[in-house]
Amino acid sequence: GNSVTQMEGPVTLSEEAFLTINCTYTATGYPSLFWYVQYPGEGLQLLLKATKADDKGSNKGFEATYRKETTSFHLEKGSVQVSDSAVYFCALSEVNAGKSTFGDGTTLTVKP
Amino acid sequence: NAGVTQTPKFRVLKTGQSMTLLCAQDMNHEYMYWYRQDPGMGLRLIHYSVGEGTTAKGEVPDGYNVSRLKKQNFLLGLESAAPSQTSVYFCASRGGTLNTEAFFGQGTRLTVV
Repeated sequence: GNSVTQMEGPVTLSEEAFLTINCTYTATGYPSLFWYVQYPGEGLQLLLKATKADDKGSNKGFEATYRKETTSFHLEKGSVQVSDSAVYFCALSEVNAGKSTFGDGTTLTVKP
Repeated sequence: NAGVTQTPKFRVLKTGQSMTLLCAQDMNHEYMYWYRQDPGMGLRLIHYSVGEGTTAKGEVPDGYNVSRLKKQNFLLGLESAAPSQTSVYFCASRGGTLNTEAFFGQGTRLTVV
């Protein structure tokens, strides 16, 4: 079956530091890949996505590239802010599949 | 533009009581899901539905039942609540097979004492 493995947290960074959260996946088909973000007390919301190999998803300064050869979708941001403190989930979905597969989430705390 | 709405947002139950959580979406999505989120456990799928009148079990279905009588609504029932069901519950919906992004509700925080 499908699975998503993401970097264990928590991750603590100083403001303006570089962020990488690793995500690797296994899938039987050709999935779409996602990063969701969950701010305290809220539900998950889509941060970015990529639907095919070599696509780069980007939003709010975050980027992730769909790497089929390494089955990875690492999240990066060049300069984090305190407001980026949240839980980040990597996920995959396949066309014609009823369920999405989520990683366990990585908690990011950014200190001023 | 409401998206996915969950009611209630908070609830405290006594052990053995029953309750129903309601999820409503206004995006005409085919797929709907119920997850629970516990500290250190990520999201765990309870039940899901791929269309009106259909339901299927997820990873942790025991102690829960669901119904999808109308396309826009997905109900999660607890027949006899247990302290182990204390959690935050999230509903999500997704469009048809070509629309794979999920939209989440704000969550229901349930405490069973």
